[in-house]
Amino acid sequence: DVKVTQSSRYLVKRTGEKVFLECVQDMDHENMFWYRQDPGLGLRLIYFSYDVKMKEKGDIPEGYSVSREKKERFSLILESASTNQTSMYLCASTSPPGDPRERGYTFGSGTRLTVV
Amino acid sequence: SQQGEEDPQALSIQEGENATMNCSYKTSINNLQWYRQNSGRGLVHLILIRSNEREKHSGRLRVTLDTSKKSSSLLITASRAADTASYFCATAPGGGNKLTFGTGTQLKVEL
Repeated sequence: DVKVTQSSRYLVKRTGEKVFLECVQDMDHENMFWYRQDPGLGLRLIYFSYDVKMKEKGDIPEGYSVSREKKERFSLILESASTNQTSMYLCASTSPPGDPRERGYTFGSGTRLTVV
Repeated sequence: SQQGEEDPQALSIQEGENATMNCSYKTSINNLQWYRQNSGRGLVHLILIRSNEREKHSGRLRVTLDTSKKSSSLLITASRAADTASYFCATAPGGGNKLTFGTGTQLKVEL
């Protein structure tokens, strides 16, 4: 069964801490994404990556950075966590457009981060 | 910015009834996708319909796409309590695969 695995389901961090959210996929997908989900705002794209060491900003990249050193792993970094970054974080992966394997996104189970 | 907007925001039906959700989008697309999210979990891909398709079926799901109206609908037939979830449509403006999601329809199926 194909999978996207996020390292933590629940996380509580203090303001100012550096936070790492890890995501691993086992489908050999080129494209990986980080979204945050907030009530009333839906899913908003933070960063995405279409290849190893490649990254592009999404709609709300401020306060975040990412790392993609290996194809299967895409990390989201909160450089200095703030309370307004309390949210559900969702990682997803997919094959490129037009790829015969294209079947939509596969999401991880999400990480609910609380910054206090 | 929201590319897809679902309607209604919330829907409550009895088990066995059909549920219909609608999605409108703004720009041209290569495909439109529907996802389900159970409370507090990640999203699960349900179905993808390409811009040259008008209707697609998968089990109890039926999706239609009207590119002239920039709208899609998801029909769940003979609903079950286990269908209780939020449903999202998603599109990739400009034909890439960077998906933009709507805010979702919350479906509650009561016994």
